[in-house]
Amino acid sequence: EAQVTQNPRYLITVTGKKLTVTCSQNMNHEYMSWYRQDPGLGLRQIYYSMNVEVTDKGDVPEGYKVSRKEKRNFPLILESPSPNQTSLYFCASIQRESSYNSPLHFGNGTRLTVT
Amino acid sequence: GDSVTQMEGPVTLSEEAFLTINCTYTATGYPSLFWYVQYPGEGLQLLLKATKADDKGSNKGFEATYRKETTSFHLEKGSVQVSDSAVYFCALSDLGNTGKLIFGQGTTLQVKP
Repeated sequence: EAQVTQNPRYLITVTGKKLTVTCSQNMNHEYMSWYRQDPGLGLRQIYYSMNVEVTDKGDVPEGYKVSRKEKRNFPLILESPSPNQTSLYFCASIQRESSYNSPLHFGNGTRLTVT
Repeated sequence: GDSVTQMEGPVTLSEEAFLTINCTYTATGYPSLFWYVQYPGEGLQLLLKATKADDKGSNKGFEATYRKETTSFHLEKGSVQVSDSAVYFCALSDLGNTGKLIFGQGTTLQVKP
């Protein structure tokens, strides 16, 4: 089954404790992206990757890191989480060559709480 | 830069009522436009799309027309059901040029029996 898998679904942590949210897709998509969803703000793009070893900042990259060593994986790293990073996070992927008329495939989300 | 603006919610309707959720956009190029739906506890999934001016996207009774002259992509449904209760996102895709897919702030729809 074609899917984007995020882990964990729920995470509660404390300020400053490094964490990683994993994202994996099995569709051989070149493009992957991370979003955060906050009430009244919609989805805002954190980072995206056009292909292996190529990553770019989205609209809200501060406090986050990503890597794209393999095509299928795109982990999101919070080196020193802070309470303002409490949010619902989504990973998504798409085939670049059909991106003009194809939808993003989304994971089911990771709800992160930083205390 | 590119942006998407949706009408604020929540929108509360009775079953079988007519639905309109307004969406307007600003873009420098010729983006594709999408409506995504998010049911409680789930990720986003595509509802419908339009890739050029005057295209009409439709799915599950929902429709939206890409209007370049008014830079709009309003979502409509003639008769809503309780199962349509969800959050709806309008989105603009310029992945081919800028790598960006920009979402509106989302509109919560609640349909009461």
